[in-house]
Amino acid sequence: DGGITQSPKYLFRKEGQNVTLSCEQNLNHDAMYWYRQDPGQGLRLIYYSQIVNDFQKGDIAEGYSVSREKKESFPLTVTSAQKNPTAFYLCASSTGLAGGRRYEQFFGPGTRLTVL
Amino acid sequence: RKEVEQDPGPFNVPEGATVAFNCTYSNSASQSFFWYRQDCRKEPKLLMSVYSSGNEDGRFTAQVDKSSKYISLFIRDSQPSDSATYLCATAPYGNNRLAFGKGNQVVVIP
Repeated sequence: DGGITQSPKYLFRKEGQNVTLSCEQNLNHDAMYWYRQDPGQGLRLIYYSQIVNDFQKGDIAEGYSVSREKKESFPLTVTSAQKNPTAFYLCASSTGLAGGRRYEQFFGPGTRLTVL
Repeated sequence: RKEVEQDPGPFNVPEGATVAFNCTYSNSASQSFFWYRQDCRKEPKLLMSVYSSGNEDGRFTAQVDKSSKYISLFIRDSQPSDSATYLCATAPYGNNRLAFGKGNQVVVIP
């Protein structure tokens, strides 16, 4: 059953701690994305990766880091430098191949991070 | 200026009505358009993709007016189960990134 998994579903962190959110896909997609969603803010792109071992900053990368060592995995670390980390974090993937359907992104179930 | 603009609502409509959502986009290079449905506290799910001027799937119709840079979604015979937030998106950057609107929230009242 192909899809995108994110873990954990809920995460609580003390202020000042780094935390890593997991994202795994078995869709054989080349491109992966991390978004943050806050109430009334819509989806904001944090980082994206179009191919293994390469990634680019999105619109709000400050305070976050990523790695892309394997095609199926794209973990996101929320560092203590992120001022307001409490949010709903969504991972997505797309084929990344040439052609119109390369833009279709499919989302994981998300992780709700709360900083205490 | 934002790439994609949506009026967030909420929009309350009676069951059975036709609902219309609209987005405007700014980059005329956009050729691919998408509508996602997002239920409360859930992830967005791809509802429809539009690669020409329109697409239809059952009660749902999506249309694009490239001269006006306007994206529309119509839901015919709306049902309470259609209550959700609907996000539009375009691909204006020339890579795999999408630009999302903030979403239109609709509540279908029985």
